[in-house]
Amino acid sequence: QKEVEQDPGPLSVPEGAIVSLNCTYSNSAFQYFMWYRQYSRKGPELLMYTYSSGNKEDGRFTAQVDKSSKYISLFIRDSQPSDSATYLCAMTQNDYKLSFGAGTTVTVRA
Amino acid sequence: EAGVAQSPRYKIIEKRQSVAFWCNPISGHATLYWYQQILGQGPKLLIQFQNNGVVDDSQLPKDRFSAERLKGVDSTLKIQPAKLEDSAVYLCASRSDRGFNEKLFFGSGTQLSVL
Repeated sequence: QKEVEQDPGPLSVPEGAIVSLNCTYSNSAFQYFMWYRQYSRKGPELLMYTYSSGNKEDGRFTAQVDKSSKYISLFIRDSQPSDSATYLCAMTQNDYKLSFGAGTTVTVRA
Repeated sequence: EAGVAQSPRYKIIEKRQSVAFWCNPISGHATLYWYQQILGQGPKLLIQFQNNGVVDDSQLPKDRFSAERLKGVDSTLKIQPAKLEDSAVYLCASRSDRGFNEKLFFGSGTQLSVL
C-alpha cells in the first residue's frame, strides 16, 4: 500500500464548476498537509498548506483535513480555465520530507 | 526574486550512457533537494542537502546516481550508467532554513528520456 493515495482522475469540468480533489494516507504521523499545483512542463508550486484538522480557505480554494479518517481534500470554487493543471497532495511529519500523491489532472473547459 | 534554475531542460540519451543535471537554487537557500518524477507519479525525493552536506540520500540508487553540492550553492546530479527506467523529470527544489513555514520552491525540471 502506498503511503499517500490520490484520486487518479483526470477530471474535466465546465468553467464555473466546483472541483473536488481527494487524498488518503496511511501514516498517522503526518502532521502537515499541502496541495501543490503543477502546470505542464513546470515544477510544482505550493497552493495551500494546513496543519490541523478542519478547513482553511484562500480565495477560491478550500483545503480540508480530517486526521481521524486520514483524508484530505481540496475544493476549487468558480473554476477557471487557468486552473487547468495537475494537483498534487503532499504531506510530512515535521521535517519537510514530503510524501506526494500521484496527482490529479484537471481540465476546466471554457 | 529569481527562481530555481535548472539545465538542461531536455536530454535524450541511450541506455548505459551517462548524464548530468545542474541546479542553481534561490540565493541564500541552505536546503536543496533533488526529486525524480516519473510520468503519472508524484515527485520522489532522491537526496537532500543542507548547505554542502547530505541530510538524506536513503532513496538515491547509489550504484548509478551521485550528487554533489559544492560550496553549498549549485548542485549536480549524475546518472552513470543510465537505465530505461531512469526516464523521468528530475526536479530541483530549495528552501531557506529560517523555519518550517518557509516554502519549498521547485525548478522547472530536466526531462530525461533514456532510449
